[in-house]
Amino acid sequence: KNQVEQSPQSLIILEGKNCTLQCNYTVSPFSNLRWYKQDTGRGPVSLTIMTFSENTKSNGRYTATLDADTKQSSLHITASQLSDSASYICVVSDRGSTLGRLYFGRGTQLTVWP
Amino acid sequence: EADIYQTPRYLVIGTGKKITLECSQTMGHDKMYWYQQDPGMELHLIHYSYGVNSTEKGDLSSESTVSRIRTEHFPLTLESARPSHTSQYLCASSETGVETQYFGPGTRLLVL
Repeated sequence: KNQVEQSPQSLIILEGKNCTLQCNYTVSPFSNLRWYKQDTGRGPVSLTIMTFSENTKSNGRYTATLDADTKQSSLHITASQLSDSASYICVVSDRGSTLGRLYFGRGTQLTVWP
Repeated sequence: EADIYQTPRYLVIGTGKKITLECSQTMGHDKMYWYQQDPGMELHLIHYSYGVNSTEKGDLSSESTVSRIRTEHFPLTLESARPSHTSQYLCASSETGVETQYFGPGTRLLVL
């Protein structure tokens, strides 16, 4: 069964600290993996996208890694800011259909305190 | 900011009412999607469209219907709303060949 599991479910950190969010998936055949940020009451916004051949990608203070062999990804946030408080969703796409089926994790709810 | 819009942002209605959730995008994307998301849960695809006059049901069974008469417009209709329809509905679009989906702000629906 194709699944995307994220951990932790929620995380609280102090402003300025770093954190790492985890994503494990069983989606096959694999096409790509995205991390989205979803602010409360808003739609998700894409942060990074990685294909099979990429093992790291950065977007400002966000750095995503991918290990396609172990089917794991992480999102590292450096020097956190209050505006980083949001849900971070891992999304994996398969290539078994024309649509490019997306499998969503439940997200990690990050809260950054001053 | 993605050019994809949803109205209304919030809606509270009584059981049995007919409602239409609007979604429009100005990016010229061929593909559009509707997702349902409950608090703390993953997004579930309920409808999608490859282009004008194309509509397909997603993975999660839904009593809603959609139409795609124009490229930029993908409304979702509930003929008779029930409390079980209470949820957040997210619309998204993507460009063929690129596949990154751009999401609207969502509609939070509460059926009493």
